Amino acid sequence: ELKVEQNPLFLSMQEGKNYTIYCNYSTTSDRLYWYRQDPGKSLESLFVLLSNGAVKQEGRLMASLDTKARLSTLHITAAVHDLSATYFCAVDMPPNRDDKIIFGKGTRLHILP
Amino acid sequence: DTEVTQTPKHLVMGMTNKKSLKCEQHMGHRAMYWYKQKAKKPPELMFVYSYEKLSINESVPSRFSPECPNSSLLNLHLHALQPEDSALYLCASSRETGGIEAFFGQGTRLTVV
Repeated sequence: ELKVEQNPLFLSMQEGKNYTIYCNYSTTSDRLYWYRQDPGKSLESLFVLLSNGAVKQEGRLMASLDTKARLSTLHITAAVHDLSATYFCAVDMPPNRDDKIIFGKGTRLHILP
Repeated sequence: DTEVTQTPKHLVMGMTNKKSLKCEQHMGHRAMYWYKQKAKKPPELMFVYSYEKLSINESVPSRFSPECPNSSLLNLHLHALQPEDSALYLCASSRETGGIEAFFGQGTRLTVV
């Protein structure tokens, strides 16, 4: 059974600081997604990582994938208040069940102005 | 157009009512999904349709009945729901299943009274 673990589950940080959210998963997969969700809103796709060593950056967010370590990171650089949200990583099931995406529990990020 | 449109945005229904949630996309995506999300929890997959055929049913109770009338539309028919079914119901679509970015609708906030 595929398990997706995120940490931390909650993070409060000051504006201007850097931090990293971690996403570990239990079964071989080379497809990982990061989503953002604002309170009461839907999920916004941030990054799709499809191969080992993939690195993508958008503004102050950078995501990477290490399929050998079964680890993805979402790095926040010089945080600003607008980045406050819940961030989910999600992983595809292994190839024989590739219709299914499993979400981590989410990281609630609160950035203090 | 990268939108997935869900209606209604909010729904309050009694336990004896029958109602339907609707989801529409015009991106030519051939995979469509229903997720259920309780407050402060990750989305949980309910159903996956691939090329208008039900691909995955995650052991969802029969009081939830999905329907995919055509490649652009996905419905979720609700009947005899319980208060614990109150949640945010999210529809998503992707070009294909497996390893492809999914776009989420804004969700329907369902309250069962």
